[in-house]
Order: sequence, then C-alpha cells, then structure tokens
Amino acid sequence: ETGVTQTPRHLVMGMTNKKSLKCEQHLGHNAMYWYKQSAKKPLELMFVYNFKEQTENNSVPSRFSPECPNSSHLFLHLHTLQPEDSALYLCASSLGYRPETEQYFGPGTRLTVT
Amino acid sequence: SQKIEQNSEALNIQEGKTATLTCNYTNYSPAYLQWYRQDPGRGPVFLLLIRENEKEKRKERLKVTFDTTLKQSLFHITASQPADSATYLCALPPPYGGATNKLIFGTGTLLAVQP
Repeated sequence: ETGVTQTPRHLVMGMTNKKSLKCEQHLGHNAMYWYKQSAKKPLELMFVYNFKEQTENNSVPSRFSPECPNSSHLFLHLHTLQPEDSALYLCASSLGYRPETEQYFGPGTRLTVT
Repeated sequence: SQKIEQNSEALNIQEGKTATLTCNYTNYSPAYLQWYRQDPGRGPVFLLLIRENEKEKRKERLKVTFDTTLKQSLFHITASQPADSATYLCALPPPYGGATNKLIFGTGTLLAVQP
C-alpha cells in the first residue's frame, strides 16, 4: 500500500456517459497529479495541483475536468469521452512540488470507453 | 524536444544474475534522474534518485549510474530474483520544468527473471 487510493479500479463507460474518478491520499502531501498511461506509451502528465491550486494543465481536452477540493482528495470528471481515451489513469501525490520530490502513485483506474 | 529511450524489448535473465537496464536521453542535461518499478495492475513505485553530480547510487541490491557525457543511466539489480520481475521506468525533469516536480517518463523495460 502506497497510501494513495483510487476508485473505481475499473470503469467501462459509453461515449455519452458522465463519470468521475476519485483519488485520496493519506500521506499528508500537498501536491497531487493525474497521469494517463496508454499501452506501449510512457506516462503522460495531465494535471497537477499544489495546495489545491492547479499548477499544470498539459493541454488536456476539456472532456477531462479535474477538481481538487482539498489537499487529500482529487477528482477527474469525465464526459463525452472517445475510445482513444481508454487507458490506465493514475493518481500520484508528493510532499511538495519542489524538484526531486518522490511521487507516490495509486493503483490506477482502468478505463474503457465503448 | 526531450526524448527518453528505454529498451522496449523485454529483458530475460536467469535468477542470480545481474540485470542491467538502460535509460538514454537526448537534447538535454537533466539535474537528476529517478527510477521507478511498476508491477502489472499497479502504479509505479519510486526506487532511487541520482543527481548529475553523482556517478553512482546504491540501495541494497540496486545500483544506478548516471553518465552525463553519454547521456545515459544504467540500472543494475544484482543477485536477481523472480520477485524482481516487473517493468522499470526512468524519469527525468523536463528542460523547461523550472522549480517544479514535473517528470517525463520513459516507456519502461520489462524485466523477467527466470527461476
């Protein structure tokens, strides 16, 4: 256990559905991240929140909408997704957002868009 | 643009041997580099960080080297065990990252240790 939990672990949704991914960290960290991991591709950073403020948006399509109500919780709201959005979505946290700070990852949500 | 290359082919070795994985990067001189381990169905787990002024870092059976001239990091697992079988990812800060914790990850190398 890394101290970072994600729910659900698996999600199948149609292109017209709206769903949300949830991430919670129990480590007292201040920075939280969303990554996308597709088969045969490297992890892609999507969003970063530091002390609840969004500090990074890596040109992510608006059909992905993040929300960070506090330093322990992070959500990714999904709507009108495309089949190519099927991937493993990983949440991570770190003590701070300074360089070299070790990132702790959750187990991921395996998303399938049909 | 920054490019990170890891062996896309799986590395198969016999138990007890030393596994050596390679991470090459181009067009940049990162201040540090990290290695992570990822098991199937799980998120990556941090293993080691090495800075540009460090030639070598060790942790138990793990050893990482950082050659800034060759733009390469080598990751060694000595006395490998079947439990070491996993995908190993290297990660570097981007050139434009500034004072942030952004990382660019390689695609990873799958290591399979045969008993």
